[in-house]
Amino acid sequence: QKEVEQDPGPLSVPEGAIVSLNCTYSNSAFQYFMWYRQYSRKGPELLMYTYSSGNKEDGRFTAQVDKSSKYISLFIRDSQPSDSATYLCAMSTGNQFYFGTGTSLTVIP
Amino acid sequence: DAGVTQSPTHLIKTRGQQVTLRCSPKSGHDTVSWYQQALGQGPQFIFQYYEEEERQRGNFPDRFSGHQFPNYSSELNVNALLLGDSALYLCASSPRAGAINQPQHFGDGTRLSIL
Repeated sequence: QKEVEQDPGPLSVPEGAIVSLNCTYSNSAFQYFMWYRQYSRKGPELLMYTYSSGNKEDGRFTAQVDKSSKYISLFIRDSQPSDSATYLCAMSTGNQFYFGTGTSLTVIP
Repeated sequence: DAGVTQSPTHLIKTRGQQVTLRCSPKSGHDTVSWYQQALGQGPQFIFQYYEEEERQRGNFPDRFSGHQFPNYSSELNVNALLLGDSALYLCASSPRAGAINQPQHFGDGTRLSIL
């Protein structure tokens, strides 16, 4: 069983839609949770970072962590064509990071 | 404020050769981690350097080695290259002082192709 499971998609939505991206994990030692966005031929770019259960909002992005269910989500409101990218969830015990395989998202104008 | 920079951006090698990839961390960061990202996969942790020593290592063979210099820059060396080593190699940096609560910042990677 992988440490982090993420649906690879691909996911295609119309502009303005609400997007929900999800990851599950098995290691209860994970304390820190991140979402990265990766455009083609670029490195991952940090979007959201949280270390507690609950919601964290930043503009159109909301990160949700449920430690009891070992489940994290990223919601994107009012999606834009510029949001088209691969979204990676990542988790850490404090020393080492574990990434999901990424979900490919396309927002259609 | 310069972010994480990596060189070269692309590299083509043949099986059995050796390669060295380079990374300069973000200003103010002193910890460098290396990742391998195969096509369609998430980054896989190779190792992390802090104070010029390897501190953590992922599940990679000894063919993968590294070095960190006093100015915090780092190199990744891969010996006896295999076809399966073809991937995007990412460098990430973070401030060690806040390592347990600071996420990593990535460079754009070096795309390594093995023929």
